[in-house]
Amino acid sequence: EIVLTQSPATLSLSPGERATLSCRASQSVSTYLAWYQQKPGQAPRLLIYDASNRATGIPARFSGSGSGTDFTLTISSLEPEDFAVYYCQHRKGFGPGTKVDFK
Amino acid sequence: EVQLVESGGNLVQPGGSLRLSCAASGFSFTNYWMSWVRQAPGKGLEWVANIKGDESASYQVDSVKGRFSISRDNTKNSLYLQMNSLRAEDTAIYYCTRVRDSNDVSDYWGQGTLVTVSS
Repeated sequence: EIVLTQSPATLSLSPGERATLSCRASQSVSTYLAWYQQKPGQAPRLLIYDASNRATGIPARFSGSGSGTDFTLTISSLEPEDFAVYYCQHRKGFGPGTKVDFK
Repeated sequence: EVQLVESGGNLVQPGGSLRLSCAASGFSFTNYWMSWVRQAPGKGLEWVANIKGDESASYQVDSVKGRFSISRDNTKNSLYLQMNSLRAEDTAIYYCTRVRDSNDVSDYWGQGTLVTVSS
């Protein structure tokens, strides 16, 4: 079973700053990794699939990179609506999430 | 527009049963795997089960095997989750999702339905 870990658990930033979120797999997952955003009281929303492909309608400030065991979600310049929890996923497993909150 | 609307969540006693439904619209339902993903209060996401478009295959997470059953009715564009022998740890919001590819990536999610297992 592949285990996903995410770091940091919480990231405190201000609007306009760059956010870098990490997801690490316990063994290689090639590029089969997705990222989701979840805001309070809402369902998750797909941001990135296959490590680096933006889903339909996702702004260009969101980008994904990585392969093998180490992956990164980058938000180039945080907008107020980006403060949320972010989950990575490989197949039937999810990471524990990273919360991006206001500094 | 793709829409997924869950229903059926409720308060149920331990050992009880519940059937969740998900009405899908805006896409060719039979062409997609569908899944259920749950989220316990204040916790992360947990994949629960999925089912192939033609109903020829389905899978469940180990913790629900023998208790939960996923099914679909392609004539009604509907997905179901039959939950038996419910436990307190099954308390969660249950999301219906459309699966976009063979890697279980969910590209559309419903708003969720809350299942509470408590006496």
